[in-house]
Amino acid sequence: EDQVTQSPEALRLQEGESSSLNCSYTVSGLRGLFWYRQDPGKGPEFLFTLYSAGEEKEKERLKATLTKKESFLHITAPKPEDSATYLCAARRMDSSYKLIFGSGTRLLVRP
Amino acid sequence: DGGITQSPKYLFRKEGQNVTLSCEQNLNHDAMYWYRQDPGQGLRLIYYSQIVNDFQKGDIAEGYSVSREKKESFPLTVTSAQKNPTAFYLCASSTSHRGRIGEKLFFGSGTQLSVL
Repeated sequence: EDQVTQSPEALRLQEGESSSLNCSYTVSGLRGLFWYRQDPGKGPEFLFTLYSAGEEKEKERLKATLTKKESFLHITAPKPEDSATYLCAARRMDSSYKLIFGSGTRLLVRP
Repeated sequence: DGGITQSPKYLFRKEGQNVTLSCEQNLNHDAMYWYRQDPGQGLRLIYYSQIVNDFQKGDIAEGYSVSREKKESFPLTVTSAQKNPTAFYLCASSTSHRGRIGEKLFFGSGTQLSVL
């Protein structure tokens, strides 16, 4: 069964303390691995798409990487405004309209 | 500004009542989706529509219904058959061309549905 698992469930960091969020996936024929950011009471906002192992993408303090089994979202020197829930999702090769979402990692960055 | 508008922000349902959640987009996207989000769980797909007058069931369609009469609009009705409707409902859209959807989903700001 296709599955996406995110860890940890929650993460507390001090401002400037770098860390990584994990997304493990078991999906037959991965067509894309997606990262979204969600603020409380809001809809998710797209961050990155990764398509093949070894691929990396960066945006400000965030860098997403992909292996054959997992993806990491690295946060370098985070700021309080990076506090949010980060969602990971996978799309199968034969199911272009369906995304399999993980349950997310709640990140809190303290000043 | 282009985007997706969901309304209302908060909605309360009485026992045995059907309620309809609105979703409107002005992004000129062909594909639209409804997801349900419960605390501690990933988003789950309720229905999706690739084109006007066509829609397909997602993973948890029981107790829900949709229509797609206009490209811009994709309302979701939560029927009385849905016994556990309390959740955060998200509408999304994406481009779609020859069966291939766009790289990313654009989400609305959600509707929180609660049972009275």
